[in-house]
Amino acid sequence: DVKVTQSSRYLVKRTGEKVFLECVQDMDHENMFWYRQDPGLGLRLIYFSYDVKMKEKGDIPEGYSVSREKKERFSLILESASTNQTSMYLCASRPGRTPYEQYFGPGTRLTVT
Amino acid sequence: SQELEQSPQSLIVQEGKNLTINCTSSKTLYGLYWYKQKYGEGLIFLMMLQKGGEEKSHEKITAKLDEKKQQSSLHITASQPSHAGIYLCGADPNSGNTPLVFGKGTRLSVIA
Repeated sequence: DVKVTQSSRYLVKRTGEKVFLECVQDMDHENMFWYRQDPGLGLRLIYFSYDVKMKEKGDIPEGYSVSREKKERFSLILESASTNQTSMYLCASRPGRTPYEQYFGPGTRLTVT
Repeated sequence: SQELEQSPQSLIVQEGKNLTINCTSSKTLYGLYWYKQKYGEGLIFLMMLQKGGEEKSHEKITAKLDEKKQQSSLHITASQPSHAGIYLCGADPNSGNTPLVFGKGTRLSVIA
């Protein structure tokens, strides 16, 4: 079974803090993704990575950065957390070859106060 | 850019009834993915369809991709409370290996 794990299910941080969200997959997938999910807005892509040390901006990269030092691990960094970054964050991974099945982690519910 | 529209936005059905959720794309679909999400949790992969006319089933859930590859439907037979949740469709905007585009989801409630 494909497994995508995220470091925390729930997280509460203060405005201005630096926040790290970790994601690990165990299927040797090349591609990894970070989304945020908000009511009425659906899933929005923040950043993705096709390979180690590679990253691409998604639709809403402002206020975020990412790191991929190892193939299995993709980290999302909130440089200075703000209240409008309160959201559900979902990590996903996908192979770089067919079948392109994409699997998600359980999500991290982040609250910034 | 490709957009996916899901209908209905929400659905309440009586236990034991059948239901259908639709996903319509503004462009040809290279791959269509169905996911289920329980409230506050991650997305569970259900099925992936690639070929026009393709149909897949898992337990009481059947998904189809139309011949023109611009619409997919998800059909649940004899719904149960365990089917409740949010169903999302996702699509490959190109022929694989690019980020999926997602619909906004259909919220399904199953009442006894």
